[in-house]
Amino acid sequence: RKEVEQDPGPFNVPEGATVAFNCTYSNSASQSFFWYRQDCRKEPKLLMSVYSSGNEDGRFTAQLNRASQYISLLIRDSKLSDSATYLCVVHEAGANNLFFGTGTRLTVIP
Amino acid sequence: DGGITQSPKYLFRKEGQNVTLSCEQNLNHDAMYWYRQDPGQGLRLIYYSQIVNDFQKGDIAEGYSVSREKKESFPLTVTSAQKNPTAFYLCASSSSGEGPPWAQYFGPGTRLTVL
Repeated sequence: RKEVEQDPGPFNVPEGATVAFNCTYSNSASQSFFWYRQDCRKEPKLLMSVYSSGNEDGRFTAQLNRASQYISLLIRDSKLSDSATYLCVVHEAGANNLFFGTGTRLTVIP
Repeated sequence: DGGITQSPKYLFRKEGQNVTLSCEQNLNHDAMYWYRQDPGQGLRLIYYSQIVNDFQKGDIAEGYSVSREKKESFPLTVTSAQKNPTAFYLCASSSSGEGPPWAQYFGPGTRLTVL
């Protein structure tokens, strides 16, 4: 069983649309959660951390549901530049490293 | 500018040769990591180091070796024992004191191709 699971997509959405990704994690003791963005043939870059109370950064909103063990990322008013693969990342209590999902690919269409 | 650098960006190797990938950071981070990424797969941890002169195997350490003689540097050697070394190699670092706990920051990666 994978520690972190994501729908690989692809999600193809028009500019201006709202799109949401979900991610589930297997270890209920997980403590820290992140969304990373990875452009084609580039390194992953930290997009935002995910806090229990939910958090927003401009057009991006991240939420955590500990009871159901899932994390979500909502992107409003999609831009062409949002096209990328979004990685869900989890830190489990007692672990010294992170667990990465395989990513959800988003393409924003003009 | 603070950051993580990896070199070279592209590397070609013949079968049977060892090759060393460089990773340097000037972020004063204590922990450093090596991952490989294959098409359609998530990042897989090769080795990590939390302090100088100490490192631990990750999930796929076989055929790889590392050293951590300086805080800033964490080179990865891909040996001839690695059966399928062609991949995108990513180095990362993290700090226990700054930024979100456990967040990792990545270098630009080295794309290794074995001919």
